[in-house]
Amino acid sequence: EPEVTQTPSHQVTQMGQEVILRCVPISNHLYFYWYRQILGQKVEFLVSFYNNEISEKSEIFDDQFSVERPDGSNFTLKIRSTKLEDSAMYFCASSERNTEAFFGQGTRLTVV
Amino acid sequence: RKEVEQDPGPFNVPEGATVAFNCTYSNSASQSFFWYRQDCRKEPKLLMSVYSSGNEDGRFTAQLNRASQYISLLIRDSKLSDSATYLCVVEIGGFKTIFGAGTRLFVKA
Repeated sequence: EPEVTQTPSHQVTQMGQEVILRCVPISNHLYFYWYRQILGQKVEFLVSFYNNEISEKSEIFDDQFSVERPDGSNFTLKIRSTKLEDSAMYFCASSERNTEAFFGQGTRLTVV
Repeated sequence: RKEVEQDPGPFNVPEGATVAFNCTYSNSASQSFFWYRQDCRKEPKLLMSVYSSGNEDGRFTAQLNRASQYISLLIRDSKLSDSATYLCVVEIGGFKTIFGAGTRLFVKA
């Protein structure tokens, strides 16, 4: 069964550093998403991406964040100058059309 | 009013019970609706989409009431493996989705 793959599973970084979270969406999917979930809180939408551009972004997704599809398979989330409050689980998801999204297993980001 | 609101529970039910969850949403322009389940520290997994006509998948039935802006999920004959957090998800357009905080379900033997 095709699945969304995320790497790394856990990333520890020092405050102020930049991190890149990587995702390989399901191959025939056209819509890509990033979400985050702070421990004990709800899943929060960050950004959606279609046709090589951002479709929609939330208030959380400010200039600190950027997304990129550097090649035909990877989809990345870059967080610049990380803060303690960026510590969370980051989920990548993809969907074939504007329908049900399938999630990767997540990257747990810990900022120290 | 929260964009997507769910009763956090927890719901504690015995095996074999029927349990129902409701979810309300505030944006009347919402277009698509889903139920996901999330196990502790795992990714959300799609349970089912919710259609205007209602839909059923085995022991699970989802309903949508656009006039009252709520969706529901009914689980019949609960199994121990149904224990999880159930997430109501609403797509408000532009490929932006809003998750509810989830309803926790514990099914006991």
